[in-house]
Amino acid sequence: KQEVTQIPAALSVPEGENLVLNCSFTDSAIYNLQWFRQDPGKGLTSLLLIQSSQREQTSGRLNASLDKSSGRSTLYIAASQPGDSATYLCAVPEGGSWGKLQFGAGTQVVVTP
Amino acid sequence: ETGVTQSPTHLIKTRGQQVTLRCSSQSGHNTVSWYQQALGQGPQFIFQYYREEENGRGNFPPRFSGLQFPNYSSELNVNALELDDSALYLCASSPGRSGGDEQYFGPGTRLTVT
Repeated sequence: KQEVTQIPAALSVPEGENLVLNCSFTDSAIYNLQWFRQDPGKGLTSLLLIQSSQREQTSGRLNASLDKSSGRSTLYIAASQPGDSATYLCAVPEGGSWGKLQFGAGTQVVVTP
Repeated sequence: ETGVTQSPTHLIKTRGQQVTLRCSSQSGHNTVSWYQQALGQGPQFIFQYYREEENGRGNFPPRFSGLQFPNYSSELNVNALELDDSALYLCASSPGRSGGDEQYFGPGTRLTVT
């Protein structure tokens, strides 16, 4: 059974610092890994999707890496801003060819001005 | 903006009642999945529908049921509500049913059971 872990559970940084968020998974036979952002009480916004054949994916200030063999993904957010404050979740499809996502519990990020 | 909408935004129900939550997927997306997210936790998979048939189910009791309609809308029904059913309910749509498809989430429905 796939298990997804995110460490740390919470993170507070001053504005301008780079953010590093970690995600680990137990079953390396994944189709892809998706990073989401969630604002308090809101739905999930997809940030990046990394296919299993890729090692990284970039969008603006966001960069996500994927190391299947070690069961890890890292989300980097450069030059953090107060607007980056949110909870960040990673998710992988549960084994097989269908789309059930297994989520981590998330990392709550606060960027202070 | 994902094109996935959910209604209502918030809902308050009493223990033992029944509730129906609604989701409208992106046009052309044949798969809809429903998730329950308790406070401070990641979303938990409830079930998935592909072309109006249930395509998989998580560890939820039968009082959680669903329907998917040909017009890309779907429903989540919960009978005999319990206090622990209080959560954010999310639906997600994707084009096919492959694990490789990106899933697009709606804004969620906040259900409070008193």
